[in-house]
Amino acid sequence: DIQMTQSPSSLSASVGDRVTITCRASQSISSYLNWYQQKPGKAPKLLIYAASSLQSGVPSRFSGSGSGTDFTLTISSLQPEDFATYYCQQSYSTRSITFGQGTRLEIK
Amino acid sequence: QVQLQESGPGLVKPSETLSLTCTVSGYSISSGYYWGWIRQPPGKGLEWIGSIYHSGSTYYNPSLKSRVTISVDTSKNQFSLKLSSVTAADTAVYYCARDGGLVKYDYWGQGTLVTVSS
Repeated sequence: DIQMTQSPSSLSASVGDRVTITCRASQSISSYLNWYQQKPGKAPKLLIYAASSLQSGVPSRFSGSGSGTDFTLTISSLQPEDFATYYCQQSYSTRSITFGQGTRLEIK
Repeated sequence: QVQLQESGPGLVKPSETLSLTCTVSGYSISSGYYWGWIRQPPGKGLEWIGSIYHSGSTYYNPSLKSRVTISVDTSKNQFSLKLSSVTAADTAVYYCARDGGLVKYDYWGQGTLVTVSS
């Protein structure tokens, strides 16, 4: 299995801050990396696919970058509705999809 | 607008089989895409269970493969999950979702909590 490791596991930030979350794969996954946002009691929501493509309807303050083993999700200016848990997911190994452990973004 | 809705028992006894169905509206499963199941134990992260194409082609998580069966019923626009020999470790919120290509899950059901307990 390809292991996905996110850092940090939790993060405190303020409205208006620029925030970066990192995801590292245990082997190269090219650009087969997706990012999701999950709020309590809700299903995950797709934000970014193929490492850097913004899903339709997602605000442009969200961006993704990276390839190979190292990836980042950046929120350029945090809004109150952005406080949530974020997950990365590799889609390189289609027979064994794996998610990162999640990064909880909290209000400072 | 594509919508997915999970249904099935919320309580399953240990050693029995968990059975869930996902009903899709706003899109015909026969038109394409893979359709998947993902679960999330309380307070924990996401785990991919497996996925199915309208033709019946399946992929399963290797760690669950011996216990999982995913099937599709295109006439009802539904796909289903069976997980056998369940234990307390299988207690989770189970989500169904559409793989919108390149294994990115772009539409999700709201999730259903299944508790394994006697």
